[in-house]
Amino acid sequence: LAKTTQPISMDSYEGQEVNITCSHNNIATNDYITWYQQFPSQGPRFIIQGYKTKVTNEVASLFIPADRKSSTLSLPRVSLSDTAVYYCLVGYNDYKLSFGAGTTVTVRA
Amino acid sequence: KAGVTQTPRYLIKTRGQQVTLSCSPISGHRSVSWYQQTPGQGLQFLFEYFSETQRNKGNFPGRFSGRQFSNSRSEMNVSTLELGDSALYLCASSLEFRDFEAFFGQGTRLTVV
Repeated sequence: LAKTTQPISMDSYEGQEVNITCSHNNIATNDYITWYQQFPSQGPRFIIQGYKTKVTNEVASLFIPADRKSSTLSLPRVSLSDTAVYYCLVGYNDYKLSFGAGTTVTVRA
Repeated sequence: KAGVTQTPRYLIKTRGQQVTLSCSPISGHRSVSWYQQTPGQGLQFLFEYFSETQRNKGNFPGRFSGRQFSNSRSEMNVSTLELGDSALYLCASSLEFRDFEAFFGQGTRLTVV
């Protein structure tokens, strides 16, 4: 049974790096791993997407090992405005899509 | 460039009624997906439409249905509403089918009483 799991919450301080790992067994061969950020009363916002190895953009990095059974979102030097819920989204071999339950990241001054 | 527009933003319905929610995707985007978000179940995939055809469906009962028009606008319908259908319904648009780089609307908050 396909299941996407991620930690419920993480605390950090401004300027630190935050790493969130998502586990996704049975990921579809051709699908990407995608991460979203959500603030209260808003829809999720796309952060980054990757297929394998490492992807970096202006806001985050995504690390994906060769077996693609997990992925790690890395947020460098977080600020208070990075306090949000982060979701990973994965497609599975049964063609279904699955969001993780979301990781609440709290950044403190 | 206008974002994804969902209407209405808020809705209150009575058990047993039916409801239709609307989603206008970003111009040029051909895929529209719908999600239900609740505190207990989180974000759950409902279905994805591409080129006016439902291409993928999540594990929801047949009371949940949708359609997509030739201009890519989409509607979802929930019939015989239950209290448990109270949720934030989110629509996301993307360029192509199964393109997870999607842009979400602000959602429609449905309350069933």
